[in-house]
Amino acid sequence: SQQGEEDPQALSIQEGENATMNCSYKTSINNLQWYRQNSGRGLVHLILIRSNEREKHSGRLRVTLDTSKKSSSLLITASRAADTASYFCATVSYNQGGKLIFGQGTELSVKP
Amino acid sequence: EAQVTQNPRYLITVTGKKLTVTCSQNMNHEYMSWYRQDPGLGLRQIYYSMNVEVTDKGDVPEGYKVSRKEKRNFPLILESPSPNQTSLYFCASSPGQGVSYGYTFGSGTRLTVV
Repeated sequence: SQQGEEDPQALSIQEGENATMNCSYKTSINNLQWYRQNSGRGLVHLILIRSNEREKHSGRLRVTLDTSKKSSSLLITASRAADTASYFCATVSYNQGGKLIFGQGTELSVKP
Repeated sequence: EAQVTQNPRYLITVTGKKLTVTCSQNMNHEYMSWYRQDPGLGLRQIYYSMNVEVTDKGDVPEGYKVSRKEKRNFPLILESPSPNQTSLYFCASSPGQGVSYGYTFGSGTRLTVV
């Protein structure tokens, strides 16, 4: 079963604009991870934020985590056409063999 | 280059014909796992392995087998494939179960069983 919901399910923006995706989860976590998947390809790990962190940056990516609301957001600044992909948040269930529990994903389309 | 390599990339097979999807990682990772991805159902874990000779079932293990004889390899075996195993399969690995580890995924194997 999926851990939570991602919002929006689909997002279409112009190149240069910022894209914000939100993720909610249900259980307590040690960390939350974001992955990107280009159509039909493998998932690429983007960034991991620990439960004791509130914000983390990596290049054009900014992730926030609010454990009190069980939510996270991923901001991609100055988006490019190459950012077009599906983005998933995931938590890890360590008492279920380290299983990644993914959100439903946000499909991002960046138009040139 | 650090990577997880899956083969084949695409496979079309017939019902009942045994097949193996290979997965190999070159990062000396202890943890490896298999997922399948289906529209509307998302990614579901099939099997995982904490280390050599240690494997366990995930959420959807029926119809699959795995083995972990060496640290780098974690093949997925379908003894008698059926059409409901048509899916996109991913192998993933991570250094272990620490709180700071992300997972590295292979490029995927698109399997069609007719």
